[in-house]
Amino acid sequence: DVKVTQSSRYLVKRTGEKVFLECVQDMDHENMFWYRQDPGLGLRLIYFSYDVKMKEKGDIPEGYSVSREKKERFSLILESASTNQTSMYLCASTRAGDSYEQYFGPGTRLTVT
Amino acid sequence: GEDVEQSLFLSVREGDSSVINCTYTDSSSTYLYWYKQEPGAGLQLLTYIFSNMDMKQDQRLTVLLNKKDKHLSLRIADTQTGDSAIYFCAETGDSSYKLIFGSGTRLLVRP
Repeated sequence: DVKVTQSSRYLVKRTGEKVFLECVQDMDHENMFWYRQDPGLGLRLIYFSYDVKMKEKGDIPEGYSVSREKKERFSLILESASTNQTSMYLCASTRAGDSYEQYFGPGTRLTVT
Repeated sequence: GEDVEQSLFLSVREGDSSVINCTYTDSSSTYLYWYKQEPGAGLQLLTYIFSNMDMKQDQRLTVLLNKKDKHLSLRIADTQTGDSAIYFCAETGDSSYKLIFGSGTRLLVRP
């Protein structure tokens, strides 16, 4: 059974804190993605990675960075959390060349106070 | 630019058919998808259609694609309470790996 796991389901942080969200997949997928989901806006791509140490900006990368040191793990970093980063964060992965199925993790609901 | 639009909410009675609609802008999309998100969970692929097809049927699900109007629909026959979820339409756009998602349609099935 394929699996994408995220380190936390719920997280509460204070403004200015550094926040790490971790995602792990066990499918040996090359591509991994970080999205944020907000009501009425759907999913917006923050960053994606197509290989270890490789990354590209998505549609809304400002205020975020990522790290991919191992194939199975993709981390999203908020260097200095702000209240407008309160959101649901979803990680996904897919094989290289596959354009039809992204496998999603359960999401991390982050609240920044 | 690339854009995918959906209505935000649909309410149906149990046993009725549900039709969720989506419009997209990028005619170069190779695949179009429907994902389902149940409460508290991530997204799960429900079905997809290749851009050279008009229709795809999979048990209670029927996907219709009108390329001329850039319109995609998902019909769920005999809708059940377990179908209550948010349904996202997505397209590949001009990318082979990146998906563009709509805002999601929340389907509420009333007993």
